Amino acid sequence: DQQVKQNSPSLSVQEGRISILNCDYTNSMFDYFLWYKKYPAEGPTFLISISSIKDKNEDGRFTVFLNKSAKHLSLHIVPSQPGDSAVYFCAASALSGGSNYKLTFGKGTLLTVNP
Amino acid sequence: NAGVMQNPRHLVRRRGQEARLRCSPMKGHSHVYWYRQLPEEGLKFMVYLQKENIIDESGMPKERFSAEFPKEGPSILRIQQVVRGDSAAYFCASSPPGQGGPQHFGDGTRLSIL
Repeated sequence: DQQVKQNSPSLSVQEGRISILNCDYTNSMFDYFLWYKKYPAEGPTFLISISSIKDKNEDGRFTVFLNKSAKHLSLHIVPSQPGDSAVYFCAASALSGGSNYKLTFGKGTLLTVNP
Repeated sequence: NAGVMQNPRHLVRRRGQEARLRCSPMKGHSHVYWYRQLPEEGLKFMVYLQKENIIDESGMPKERFSAEFPKEGPSILRIQQVVRGDSAAYFCASSPPGQGGPQHFGDGTRLSIL
């Protein structure tokens, strides 16, 4: 039973354009969401997070949007750069449920930014 | 990722042998987590430890797997009598004391079972 779903295994965009990566979740207890970027043969690197009390969080070129009613979040990267090419993982946890440490990951989306 | 140190980076074992994976958390971090990633999958939570305590091992297989985080030294994930299905990337993460804040990951140990 996959509680965090990233339905697009891959995404290809042109340099300078916007990249939009999507993530859906089914567990209504999730209230803290994170995006990680992963290069081959490396560990995931934290990018940005959002708690359920917000619907948007921005950090430089990265913005995460949360739609709680739809149980959907998205990561926007503007403008996209070739160095952004990596696998992006969406992760969720239940902060208020006392198991904030247990991250549930999606399967990832491979983003390719073409020069 | 340099903050969380995992070794070895690659480990090859034959079926039936033991595998020991080590993780040193970032400086100042007292919480350690282990995750496993199978090919084409996301990371799956295995265990959460604090110094000398296992807080949650609900993601650990019931047999052959154990983890510890001693008062001194790195955290160890131990797999006894390895089988082919144990082949995966094992990631360790750490976080500082207290709630909230992201987990920071090491570069993983890639375990291959012959």
